[in-house]
Amino acid sequence: QSVLTQPPSVSGAPGQRVTISCTGLRPNLETSHDVHWYKQLPGTAPKLLIYGNINRPSGVPDRFSGSKSGTSASLAITGLQAEDEADYYCQSYDGSLDNFVFGTGTKVTVL
Amino acid sequence: EVQLVESGGGLVQPGGSLRLSCAASGFIFSDYWMSWVRQGPGKGLEWVAKIKGDGRAKVYVDSVKGRFTISRDNAQNSLFLQLNSLRVEDSAVYYCAREGYYYFEYWGQGTQVTVSS
Repeated sequence: QSVLTQPPSVSGAPGQRVTISCTGLRPNLETSHDVHWYKQLPGTAPKLLIYGNINRPSGVPDRFSGSKSGTSASLAITGLQAEDEADYYCQSYDGSLDNFVFGTGTKVTVL
Repeated sequence: EVQLVESGGGLVQPGGSLRLSCAASGFIFSDYWMSWVRQGPGKGLEWVAKIKGDGRAKVYVDSVKGRFTISRDNAQNSLFLQLNSLRVEDSAVYYCAREGYYYFEYWGQGTQVTVSS
């Protein structure tokens, strides 16, 4: 099963901007799928943060933004806040296997 | 309000079986693909299986093929995962999730499965 690669951890001071990369996406445009992001607080279920590369579900602050280019995607958090401290996962779909794939996860620490 | 509530987890010996359930409410259950996603202790997320709204299509990750079976009862708005021939490495929190367009729009709170002798 393919796995998407994320940095294990990123950190920043309150108010700063941090980005999380997600690499290993399918290179072929014909088989490339969208990337989605989830936020997971300790001991709780993941929550959808970004879908379709760039879209935020209702209730997600516009401090969170997503992008995708080629075989990688990124999640940016601007104006970092204490409540942003969590694990973040990217996710896509592997059409050749008909499987969903997740990133390795990134722990965001607010200094 | 969409709600997904899992149950059925527990402690089981290697080689044993469990049946997980997920009770859904707040949406037309039969309209949606549903999935199970698991998370081992201190590990990341792993998609396990999915099932089409009418129950006629099912897909599994390779590591559980032949051991796990996903099913649903649309009359009862319920999703199930039968876990057989369990291994220590199957220990995880198992989440049910409602799919959007190739993503997981809503998640349950999870149920813990521990495989240990």
